[in-house]
Parts: sequence; structure tokens; C-alpha cells
Amino acid sequence: GNSVTQMEGPVTLSEEAFLTINCTYTATGYPSLFWYVQYPGEGLQLLLKATKADDKGSNKGFEATYRKETTSFHLEKGSVQVSDSAVYFCALSLRDSSYKLIFGSGTRLLVRP
Amino acid sequence: DGGITQSPKYLFRKEGQNVTLSCEQNLNHDAMYWYRQDPGQGLRLIYYSQIVNDFQKGDIAEGYSVSREKKESFPLTVTSAQKNPTAFYLCATTSGGDTQYFGPGTRLTVL
Repeated sequence: GNSVTQMEGPVTLSEEAFLTINCTYTATGYPSLFWYVQYPGEGLQLLLKATKADDKGSNKGFEATYRKETTSFHLEKGSVQVSDSAVYFCALSLRDSSYKLIFGSGTRLLVRP
Repeated sequence: DGGITQSPKYLFRKEGQNVTLSCEQNLNHDAMYWYRQDPGQGLRLIYYSQIVNDFQKGDIAEGYSVSREKKESFPLTVTSAQKNPTAFYLCATTSGGDTQYFGPGTRLTVL
């Protein structure tokens, strides 16, 4: 079946540290891949996306590259800030007519000053 | 001010009662979705609608019902048949591409 697996959290880092959150997927066909961010008590915000192999999505210093050969879409940031503390969700869309999203379980990031 | 609104932000329900969660959008998006989020878990799809007067079940539709009488509105009713309704409910929309945009959510608690 189609699924997304994320590394378990929480991930705790000091400010200005390098961030990696791993995401791998299983899918039939050729999905689009997404990272969403959720701040406490809020809905999800689109962080970045990629639609084909070797595409790199980027936004606000975050990056992720669509790796078809390893079925991965790892999220990275070179220098995290306290304000990056949130829950990060990796998701895929099968790009069928429904455009349904399949989500990973989320990874909580805590950044300490 | 464009966007997706969900109301109420917090909702309390007694066991055995039906409750309806509101989702309204002024983005002129065709498709709308309802997801449920439980602590420490990802989002799971309840129902979705791609056009007015049509909707499909998602992965966890049992105990829920929806309607889509207007393009702007996609209310979700949590019925008494839903065994464990306490959760955070999120509405999303898309204009036909695969990028979904989310509302702020409604937190439902069963007393």
C-alpha cells in the first residue's frame, strides 16, 4: 500500500544547529511529495513541495530533494532557530483524480536557545 | 480577506449528541477535504468533495457525515455512532492541483 514513514521525535537541537528529518515513502505510481509544518494549536502550513525526481523544494531556509532511487524526501535546514520549533509532516499525493494526501506521523522539533 | 475558516475553534460534546463542524472558504477552490488528527499521529482522511453535491468517503468515514450544497461550504457532522470522536479536525481545500491548503482546525472534546 501507499505510506509515508518519518523519523520519530522529538528532535531536540540547539539554536544554529543543522537539522535533518528523515522521510521515506512507498507509493504506486509517481507521487508528489510535501512537507507541512504545524505550530501549536494551529492548522498545517505548506512548507515546500517537489513533483518529480531530483526536484529540490525550498522555503524559509528549509530544503528537501525528491530521491526516487531511495524513495526519500528528507527535510534539512542549515541553521535552526527557536521559532522553527513545531511539528513537521511529510506527505505524498498520488496525483490521481482525488488528490488525497497520505501523511507520516509527524516529527516534533524543539529548538533551544 | 481570503482563506479557509473553521468554527468553532473549540467544541465540547456530550456522549450521544451529534455535532456539526463548519468549514468555509472564499478561495474559489473546487475540492474540499476533512481530516482527523490524533495526538502523535498523522492526519487521516474522513471525507472529501470535488464538486458541489458530490462527496466520497475517505479512510475513516464511519460515524461521520458531510454535505456539499455550496462550493464555499463543506460541513462535517460527527454523529453519536462515532466511538471515539475526541480529536483535532482539519479542513483543507485545493484548486485542482495536488497542493492542499488547511484551515486552523476545530478541537472536539467529548465530555
